Amino acid sequence: GAVVSQHPSWVICKSGTSVKIECRSLDFQATTMFWYRQFPKQSLMLMATSNEGSKATYEQGVEKDKFLINHASLTLSTLTVTSAHPEDSSFYICSVELAGVYEQFFGPGTRLTVL
Amino acid sequence: RKEVEQDPGPFNVPEGATVAFNCTYSNSASQSFFWYRQDCRKEPKLLMSVYSSGNEDGRFTAQLNRASQYISLLIRDSKLSDSATYLCAVNMEDEGRDDKIIFGKGTRLHILP
Repeated sequence: GAVVSQHPSWVICKSGTSVKIECRSLDFQATTMFWYRQFPKQSLMLMATSNEGSKATYEQGVEKDKFLINHASLTLSTLTVTSAHPEDSSFYICSVELAGVYEQFFGPGTRLTVL
Repeated sequence: RKEVEQDPGPFNVPEGATVAFNCTYSNSASQSFFWYRQDCRKEPKLLMSVYSSGNEDGRFTAQLNRASQYISLLIRDSKLSDSATYLCAVNMEDEGRDDKIIFGKGTRLHILP
């Protein structure tokens, strides 16, 4: 499978600040990466699909101006939570997909706590 | 009907027993199915892909029932280390874009010593 890293693994920030989360595909080039959010005891919720070299595709109800996604290279996608609020506190996980087979491999996740 | 539905559990099973759980899906056109395992406060990890003929990997067997639109996961000779949340994932067609994977909420499994 694919090896995916995320940085940071956890972050605590004050309300109103912005937080950037990096997702890297370490062993293959990923034209598509996915960003998920998971609240405690809830399912993974797809936030957006990150496409290398083009705009991300956001799921319904996810504000694109609040969750900025940049997929500037085949190995790196970033998610920036802008003007974070306590309700944004969650576990953010990225994944990469093996082309044509839908199998997804997840990064270790980033636990965001907004005070 | 929810797109992908699982019994949340928890399933409390004695060590060594066999346990099985199902996952139903709403889109009859779905072609790809997966089981993931997620440990507490960790990311999901792919356990098995499920294809038409089903598949087996050691103590784990996954089956697909297209007529009733569900997939199943069977764990034999359960170990304490099998305790986790098991997520099923199914591809769904989405209007105007490529298929996407939808995850169930997961089934919690506790193996008891």
